Amino acid sequence: ETGVTQSPTHLIKTRGQQVTLRCSSQSGHNTVSWYQQALGQGPQFIFQYYREEENGRGNFPPRFSGLQFPNYSSELNVNALELDDSALYLCASSLFSSGNTGELFFGEGSRLTVL
Amino acid sequence: QQQVKQSPQSLIVQKGGISIINCAYENTAFDYFPWYQQFPGKGPALLIAIRPDVSEKKEGRFTISFNKSAKQFSLHIMDSQPGDSATYFCAASMLAGTYKYIFGTGTRLKVLA
Repeated sequence: ETGVTQSPTHLIKTRGQQVTLRCSSQSGHNTVSWYQQALGQGPQFIFQYYREEENGRGNFPPRFSGLQFPNYSSELNVNALELDDSALYLCASSLFSSGNTGELFFGEGSRLTVL
Repeated sequence: QQQVKQSPQSLIVQKGGISIINCAYENTAFDYFPWYQQFPGKGPALLIAIRPDVSEKKEGRFTISFNKSAKQFSLHIMDSQPGDSATYFCAASMLAGTYKYIFGTGTRLKVLA
């Protein structure tokens, strides 16, 4: 069973640039969620994708956008980067079905630094 | 209403001791309460979870105590080991609809050998 994998693991961007982060979900999972974890804080929900559509969004501006592909992998795109976007971006996959607990399985994250 | 408050922020325990981390929530619609363990440079990993229809759940050295009337739940780590040194996050979620988790701010646990 393959776990959740994310790429890249680390990257540095400058303010105003755009970034794309990628995630491959765990085998058998059909839902992908993205979380932002600032240093010393708990993860904060950005959005979730199910059946290639956004299925819920947290308090993040529209410059945070995403995609889910037919193989359930996903991308997180952030435009017009700001210094406060510096964080660990976590992808989590889960199996959405009736009666399922919704257990999230996290990847190891992509550490984004915005200068 | 969407917050989960976690305490303490940091905790130092002697090897073999009991580590206790507390969380409180406001939204009574939450019906799933997991605890995650995170080591430096790694993503959070599910440790143990509970639903509000039980007051306690135990898995090995880890126990969740749940008080529905007080809207509080806690993680107890018995016989704490240096390998337990990590950051622990509580979370709350509603199983229906989006599996959006609200995380606490984390507790950095250090177990002294």
